[in-house]
Amino acid sequence: GAVVSQHPSRVICKSGTSVKIECRSLDFQATTMFWYRQFPKQSLMLMATSNEGSKATYEQGVEKDKFLINHASLTLSTLTVTSAHPEDSSFYICSVWRGLNTEAFFGQGTRLTVV
Amino acid sequence: GIQVEQSPPDLILQEGANSTLRCNFSDSVNNLQWFHQNPWGQLINLFYIPSGTKQNGRLSATTVATERYSLLYISSSQTTDSGVYFCGHSGAGSYQLTFGKGTKLSVIP
Repeated sequence: GAVVSQHPSRVICKSGTSVKIECRSLDFQATTMFWYRQFPKQSLMLMATSNEGSKATYEQGVEKDKFLINHASLTLSTLTVTSAHPEDSSFYICSVWRGLNTEAFFGQGTRLTVV
Repeated sequence: GIQVEQSPPDLILQEGANSTLRCNFSDSVNNLQWFHQNPWGQLINLFYIPSGTKQNGRLSATTVATERYSLLYISSSQTTDSGVYFCGHSGAGSYQLTFGKGTKLSVIP
């Protein structure tokens, strides 16, 4: 069965609005979760590391005020795309690890389209 | 950071054929993993293989860490094998995965 659940799988929103994406670890508690972004026909790029109970760590070039991350519990991290613009349209995927030196698991992904 | 190169970038196979996908690294890697991204975007972990060889059904993978490469073998390919295959690695003690650009596989009936 699924280890990670991501919701919604697809969302269309208007420019200027905010969209929240949820990532749930179903099988185990995850103090750390990861958010990736994937443009069409490209690889996955790490956006940020979500840390339970503390601030997220953002990769260089990722606007923390644009992409708000909250990791309020050991099984849930949320990514909010604020004041979305068409250039924010992309595929967003979350990931969790069962532990170091083990497999990484990914959510189903969220395809965001900003019109 | 460590560069990850995957080859070939695209591959078209007739159903039933075998294939080998390759991942080269610019330096020593840890936590090497292979993933399959299906046409709907879902990433499935195929192998966690920092070294050695593993097999799972029609798929197998080999990592030769000393020579900085990993191979993914697909035998008797099926149309459901279509998608993009990524290799990814993270550094020692790190959860942050860096991915190659992927190999897009199309298996035709």
